[in-house]
Amino acid sequence: EVQLVESGGGLVQPGRSLRLSCAASGFIFDDYAMHWVRQAPGKGLEWVAGLSYNSRTIDYADSVKGRFFISRDSAKRSLFLQMNSLRAEDTALYYCVKLDASALREDAFDIWGQGTMVTVSS
Amino acid sequence: QAVLTQPPSLSASPGASASLTCTLRSGLDVGSYRIYWYQQKPGSPPQYLLRYLSDSDKGQGSGVPSRFSGFKDPSANAGILLISGLQSEDEADYYCMTWHSNTYVFGPGTKLTVL
Repeated sequence: EVQLVESGGGLVQPGRSLRLSCAASGFIFDDYAMHWVRQAPGKGLEWVAGLSYNSRTIDYADSVKGRFFISRDSAKRSLFLQMNSLRAEDTALYYCVKLDASALREDAFDIWGQGTMVTVSS
Repeated sequence: QAVLTQPPSLSASPGASASLTCTLRSGLDVGSYRIYWYQQKPGSPPQYLLRYLSDSDKGQGSGVPSRFSGFKDPSANAGILLISGLQSEDEADYYCMTWHSNTYVFGPGTKLTVL
């Protein structure tokens, strides 16, 4: 079964850091670009960050550029999101998402995890 | 102005058809954009439904019923998700997405009520 399982969310104070993880199974992890997409409570979807199958191409939404860092570990079949200098507006459910392509290009987000909630509040 | 706009809500009756629109910002030509559609039910992650560029360039998500289909309305500069034979289980939020300026852009979503 193709599966993405996120972890690492929680309540954090503004300005602090948090690291999200995503464990992948059921597909060849090394063949696909991976992304993070977030959804604030009661709001729509926002693409956050993505990296290609070989990590050579990485991109971020302007709203998180310079604060968030995406990475992957082939041996652990895992995707990560290091979130620094967190703000209240970063409060959201963070989804780990597989792109149906190896490169950072246009294609479908075909597999989604259940998400991990990040709440930034003092 | 947002790249993609969607009406906040739409209601339709069981068994009927529903057309959900995703309008591109003025100045952008929908004919050049591939539109992706996602369904999100309460408490669940989004699920990929389909993509549509043209009748010769389209694709259905794995396991997605054929009563979900995509097309375009050039006169409205919009992508359309057509759901035929509406069922109560189709009640959900629907998001469109496209690739613009080398990034992934989502529409604000439409809440479809089946009643």
